[in-house]
Amino acid sequence: SQQGEEDPQALSIQEGENATMNCSYKTSINNLQWYRQNSGRGLVHLILIRSNEREKHSGRLRVTLDTSKKSSSLLITASRAADTASYFCATEPQKLVFGQGTRLTINP
Amino acid sequence: EAGVVQSPRYKIIEKKQPVAFWCNPISGHNTLYWYRQNLGQGPELLIRYENEEAVDDSQLPKDRFSAERLKGVDSTLKIQPAELGDSAVYLCASSFPWEGVYEQYFGPGTRLTVT
Repeated sequence: SQQGEEDPQALSIQEGENATMNCSYKTSINNLQWYRQNSGRGLVHLILIRSNEREKHSGRLRVTLDTSKKSSSLLITASRAADTASYFCATEPQKLVFGQGTRLTINP
Repeated sequence: EAGVVQSPRYKIIEKKQPVAFWCNPISGHNTLYWYRQNLGQGPELLIRYENEEAVDDSQLPKDRFSAERLKGVDSTLKIQPAELGDSAVYLCASSFPWEGVYEQYFGPGTRLTVT
């Protein structure tokens, strides 16, 4: 069974808009990681947030974590066509458990 | 720096045939993972190695799947015999712990089709 669940399952927006996707999980975590997967580059690590952090930024990415609600969100600002991909959250301890992903489509 | 290398990239076999996948992790990464990813799903861990030792193989269907990591570097995942339901992408990943965190680097995967 997969612990992380992303929402929405699919998201389509116009280039330049912001994209927000959410992740919920069930048990206590050490950290939560977001990965991106597209056909060109495979599965790539984007950003990690530890359980004692509430917000983290990396370029156009902003991740928040609410351990009381067992949820995280990934915000991509000023989206580009190259951001079209599936996005997965994965939780740890001991091993990464991936959700089903959010399929993001950026329309030109 | 070379990434995780997997071969073959694609494999089509008939059911009941054997198949093997090979993975070469990033140099210096002592942790190696095999995942299976079904269409529209996230990756699911099959087995995790710390050097030569399989430390988590709880999700590996041991009746038909086997894996080995000789000398703690390259790894091979085998299925014998393959079933229709084994059609999926098999991903290999490697990592090196940094401050207790295992950021994983994934290979391109092997897409298996069982007919």
